[in-house]
Amino acid sequence: GAGVSQSPSNKVTEKGKDVELRCDPISGHTALYWYRQSLGQGLEFLIYFQGNSAPDKSGLPSDRFSAERTGGSVSTLTIQRTQQEDSAVYLCASSLTPQGANEQYFGPGTRLTVT
Amino acid sequence: SQQGEEDPQALSIQEGENATMNCSYKTSINNLQWYRQNSGRGLVHLILIRSNEREKHSGRLRVTLDTSKKSSSLLITASRAADTASYFCATARGFKTIFGAGTRLFVKA
Repeated sequence: GAGVSQSPSNKVTEKGKDVELRCDPISGHTALYWYRQSLGQGLEFLIYFQGNSAPDKSGLPSDRFSAERTGGSVSTLTIQRTQQEDSAVYLCASSLTPQGANEQYFGPGTRLTVT
Repeated sequence: SQQGEEDPQALSIQEGENATMNCSYKTSINNLQWYRQNSGRGLVHLILIRSNEREKHSGRLRVTLDTSKKSSSLLITASRAADTASYFCATARGFKTIFGAGTRLFVKA
C-alpha cells in the first residue's frame, strides 16, 4: 500500500515569505507527527495530531509555525515570514494509534531552504 | 533536551565486522525504538523493545534494554556496505516519541 507522502520534496524560498508543506499519511492512521531535522542533527518534535482531538503544539518553535489536519487525514504545516534558521528537512510521520507511541512510518521529507 | 543520546556519534568499520551503538535516556519509558535513516530523508523503523523486555532480535539486529541503567544497545552483526546510514534511538512515554541525535555508521567495503 501507499506510504506517507510529502510535498514538495524541495522548497527554496526567500526570507520573509510564507511556505506550506503538505503531508498525506497512511490511510487509517489516526496519529500524525511533524518533526524538523537540521543538518546532521536528530529529530525535533514539532506537533502531534490524534484523531479529532486538539493537537499537541508544544514543540512548535514560534508563533510563525502552525499546522492543521483536515478531516483527520492530510496535514499542512505553515511557516510564516520564513527565516534562514528555518532551513531544515521537515519530516512527517503517521502511526496506526498513538498508544505506547507505536511504530511510526515516515515520509521522505521536505527540504526547505530559506535564502 | 533530547531524551535519547546515542554513542558514539560516528562509527567506521570494515564490512563483515559487528557494529554496536548505544543509547542512554533520562526518564521512564513505555518502549524504545531504533530507526535507520539514509541520506537525511525519511526514517525506517527497525525494531521496538518494550520496557518489560531485555533483549530482542530481528535478522542481523540485536537490541538490549537495561531499564535500571536507562540504556539500550543496537548490535548489527556481519555488517554490509548497505548498512551505512544514521541510526537513531527513540524513547516513548505516552504518545510522545523523542529521538536522539543519532550515530552515523559507515561500513567500508
